[in-house]
Amino acid sequence: GAGVSQTPSNKVTEKGKYVELRCDPISGHTALYWYRQSLGQGPEFLIYFQGTGAADDSGLPNDRFFAVRPEGSVSTLKIQRTERGDSAVYLCASSRDRYEETQYFGPGTRLLVL
Amino acid sequence: AQKVTQAQTEISVVEKEDVTLDCVYETRDTTYYLFWYKQPPSGELVFLIRRNSFDEQNEISGRYSWNFQKSTSSFNFTITASQVVDSAVYFCALSEARGGGADGLTFGKGTHLIIQP
Repeated sequence: GAGVSQTPSNKVTEKGKYVELRCDPISGHTALYWYRQSLGQGPEFLIYFQGTGAADDSGLPNDRFFAVRPEGSVSTLKIQRTERGDSAVYLCASSRDRYEETQYFGPGTRLLVL
Repeated sequence: AQKVTQAQTEISVVEKEDVTLDCVYETRDTTYYLFWYKQPPSGELVFLIRRNSFDEQNEISGRYSWNFQKSTSSFNFTITASQVVDSAVYFCALSEARGGGADGLTFGKGTHLIIQP
């Protein structure tokens, strides 16, 4: 596609439920990033993939958060036992490769945990 | 640890005025990258510029200009002759190039710029 796409655009769930958020990077981009943006704040880094492997997952807040990228393209961010504090906009970005520093962002998924 | 500070939470100016958004960063690395992104009300982050730590030349792109000064660890952004369409939240961000590759970005809290007609 022309840009980074994310689905769903909005997700409402109940506390304790499991959610999956999907990111489709720019075609040909091998590096993929997940961020979380709370209201009134800047995006906060969660995890970075180079190809299929997670090169840096130091930003994941706890073990309820997990992300995969099995074929080196689409990525899924998974959140188990959601909490109200997980409510935020989850942003995905991609860059051409690990040496191309410019990251291009998708429109985000707005997650609301009731 | 790296840090980006955008001290101006909100700026409001009248259209056609010039406005400067401040960004101060902290890093222990000698090689790093600085960025500015625009986030309009629609929410999608739009890339504006990237600067690497070895290039201190200022840059101008139309009404936009950037002033990078390593001596003061600042990377300020100026909009000349502002327009209503410039209204958005602007983020400054930093990436440390550990191992020669790109890393996750560290963002400031953003400056909400309001251009009044």
